[in-house]
Amino acid sequence: DAGVIQSPRHEVTEMGQEVTLRCKPISGHDYLFWYRQTMMRGLELLIYFNNNVPIDDSGMPEDRFSAKMPNASFSTLKIQPSEPRDSAVYFCASSHWPPGLYGYTFGSGTRLTVV
Amino acid sequence: QQQVKQSPQSLIVQKGGISIINCAYENTAFDYFPWYQQFPGKGPALLIAIRPDVSEKKEGRFTISFNKSAKQFSLHIMDSQPGDSATYFCAVPQGGSEKLVFGKGTKLTVNP
Repeated sequence: DAGVIQSPRHEVTEMGQEVTLRCKPISGHDYLFWYRQTMMRGLELLIYFNNNVPIDDSGMPEDRFSAKMPNASFSTLKIQPSEPRDSAVYFCASSHWPPGLYGYTFGSGTRLTVV
Repeated sequence: QQQVKQSPQSLIVQKGGISIINCAYENTAFDYFPWYQQFPGKGPALLIAIRPDVSEKKEGRFTISFNKSAKQFSLHIMDSQPGDSATYFCAVPQGGSEKLVFGKGTKLTVNP
């Protein structure tokens, strides 16, 4: 398996633009997680899905952020409009049930820079 | 959301030495407590995890010690090697246990 695949690896955009981050989880994994990593706040859980259904989006910072999982092999995280404070590395991770036993498999992340 | 306090922020160890990283939490779901390892430019990867009804788990040079009453657990790396240089994160299960809250991370440098 190729692991969790995220695209793009790097994204530089101007403030106010729409940004879409993409994730392909490992086939057969029931759970998909979106995390954001910054020096100040560390790894923050934004939202997670179970069998394509959003379970907990309490970590989504504000209405500018939205996430979808239209099928078991694809998820997107969209920021519209983007702001400089959204600059971070965004990770997607997937897992079997139970995640505690099997652990999360993280992608390599998307480094987002909003100028 | 609960706080997960990880210490130290950074750690420098000589090759062959012991690296110790600590983690303290407030509340948790009953599930595995993992440690993740992250190299620059990569996502975190599961290193080792312990069940909350076990006090210690060892895998090779890596050992987790768990103190449930004190709500603390730690990672010990024996015979530390330069290849162990990375950032280490503890994590605590939350909610229905599938959700993990991560510590802020410890940057470990092992000098040759």
